Amino acid sequence: DQQVKQNSPSLSVQEGRISILNCDYTNSMFDYFLWYKKYPAEGPTFLISISSIKDKNEDGRFTVFLNKSAKHLSLHIVPSQPGDSAVYFCAASNTGGFKTIFGAGTRLFVKA
Amino acid sequence: EAQVTQNPRYLITVTGKKLTVTCSQNMNHEYMSWYRQDPGLGLRQIYYSMNVEVTDKGDVPEGYKVSRKEKRNFPLILESPSPNQTSLYFCASSKAGPRDTFYEQYFGPGTRLTVT
Repeated sequence: DQQVKQNSPSLSVQEGRISILNCDYTNSMFDYFLWYKKYPAEGPTFLISISSIKDKNEDGRFTVFLNKSAKHLSLHIVPSQPGDSAVYFCAASNTGGFKTIFGAGTRLFVKA
Repeated sequence: EAQVTQNPRYLITVTGKKLTVTCSQNMNHEYMSWYRQDPGLGLRQIYYSMNVEVTDKGDVPEGYKVSRKEKRNFPLILESPSPNQTSLYFCASSKAGPRDTFYEQYFGPGTRLTVT
């Protein structure tokens, strides 16, 4: 049973518009939620995180929202750029980050 | 340059022939981990290590071994590879800190393994 789910395998957005990537989780014991970005032939790179005690974290064009009651988090990218086209992995981690559970990923296409 | 390196990047082998994928990091990180990426399943943790000589199983450890004899190296060993271990493998490392602290993981470039 997947503890972290990304139900949309792909998403296509026009350049300049907002991209919203969604993620659901089942385990209330996670302490941190993370987003990683992955380009082809490269390893994932960390994008943004949010502590379970917060509901929003912002870093430039990227904002992550956490809704604990719904066990749902989302990543907003505004404005979307063609260079944002990549696979985005949602992940959840326990304290210390030793156990990290990843979702299946969402492939984002940003059209110029 | 701070990085995680993996070797080899590509490997085609036959069932049952022991192999080792090396992983090395130059950031003095305490924590290291191995993942495999499969279509529709994302990244699944195989093993992780919190420090030298301290390792633990992740979610899919069957058929794999690891060792952590030095802080910088964390090799993944497949004693008797099988076709279901055909996958894309990533090594990662991060700092380790207090329970309420999060540190991002740095990933290597990946090793694509094919077992025939």
